[in-house]
Amino acid sequence: EAEVAQSPRYKITEKSQAVAFWCDPISGHATLYWYRQILGQGPELLVQFQDESVVDDSQLPKDRFSAERLKGVDSTLKIQPAELGDSAMYLCASSFGKDRKAFFGQGTRLTVV
Amino acid sequence: DQQVKQNSPSLSVQEGRISILNCDYTNSMFDYFLWYKKYPAEGPTFLISISSIKDKNEDGRFTVFLNKSAKHLSLHIVPSQPGDSAVYFCAATSGSRLTFGEGTQLTVNP
Repeated sequence: EAEVAQSPRYKITEKSQAVAFWCDPISGHATLYWYRQILGQGPELLVQFQDESVVDDSQLPKDRFSAERLKGVDSTLKIQPAELGDSAMYLCASSFGKDRKAFFGQGTRLTVV
Repeated sequence: DQQVKQNSPSLSVQEGRISILNCDYTNSMFDYFLWYKKYPAEGPTFLISISSIKDKNEDGRFTVFLNKSAKHLSLHIVPSQPGDSAVYFCAATSGSRLTFGEGTQLTVNP
């Protein structure tokens, strides 16, 4: 069964350092999402891509976060500089066409120390 | 502005009994609703969904009910099994962006 791949699974970084996460969606899925989930809360959308274009980044803290999906396939989410409050699970998801079911990867657990 | 709310942070049921998880929403533009299940250190897994043109959708032990007038949906799990113990998120969408509730921790006791 096709899956959304994310790496790394776990990342510990010092505050003020840069960190990057990678996501490879299910093949053929044009829509890609990055969500952040803080423990005890639901996932919150950071950015949504349709192919290589950003369609929603209204909740992305653009002073420190950036995301790209250059060829409309895999995607990278970057944080620079990391802050203690960025500690969370970062989830990537993808969906196909008009099917609104999003399929999630296993996530990257970020700890900023 | 929390558009999707799950008011019960936790629920505990006995194996074999029914689990009912509830979700309320405020945005009348939402037209598609989903339930996800999440184990610790893993991403959410899709469980079941329902379109706003329906009031019930069933898949095996899982049934989702939608009451549009009350802006309320619920997930029924019958019979509950210990392996169902996880955090359950409801989500809603009016396009392709999913808005999630805070989650309910379900514990099924043997």
